[in-house]
Amino acid sequence: SAVISQKPSRDICQRGTSLTIQCQVDSQVTMMFWYRQQPGQSLTLIATANQGSEATYESGFVIDKFPISRPNLTFSTLTVSNMSPEDSSIYLCSAGQGAGEQFFGPGTRLTVL
Amino acid sequence: QKEVEQNSGPLSVPEGAIASLNCTYSDRGSQSFFWYRQYSGKSPELIMFIYSNGDKEDGRFTAQLNKASQYVSLLIRDSQPSDSATYLCAVNRGNTPLVFGKGTRLSVIA
Repeated sequence: SAVISQKPSRDICQRGTSLTIQCQVDSQVTMMFWYRQQPGQSLTLIATANQGSEATYESGFVIDKFPISRPNLTFSTLTVSNMSPEDSSIYLCSAGQGAGEQFFGPGTRLTVL
Repeated sequence: QKEVEQNSGPLSVPEGAIASLNCTYSDRGSQSFFWYRQYSGKSPELIMFIYSNGDKEDGRFTAQLNKASQYVSLLIRDSQPSDSATYLCAVNRGNTPLVFGKGTRLSVIA
């Protein structure tokens, strides 16, 4: 299984600012994804991070709000732009390959004031 | 719309009993089925996956899949208080994003 790290682990941000979350995998992986998890809720997929091309966003999520980069097969970033209190959540990176199993990073707990 | 349904619980079982967690899915094209365990404040941890109809056992855990009924379950034998967590069912079509259920909260009572 892949070992995934995320930075920062948590942050408190002011409304209107942006935060970039980094995700590092210890081995090359085919697939990387970004999820959001509201308190007490399940995971919601934000986008698939595609290596060398634009991310594929799910309904309700747009590139201007959540720009994503994936410069290589082990690293991705998610930026939460122009933040509002509604963006307060846990943001999770996952990675996978092969038959589809995915492994998750420890998450980034974001609070927007 | 692809959906994965789970009973939110809480499911309470006594220590040493069998916990049975159930999940149904709507996408008949689903190929891979996963169970994740999530402790409060932690990220999901993959505990089982199954691709073929039937049972798959790993230690105290057994995953069961019935594609005709679009049903997947997880059995936990000899339940321990440390098994208390939210269990998330997830499915995909191979190398596609996982679709998650809302999770079942399990409480094992000592």
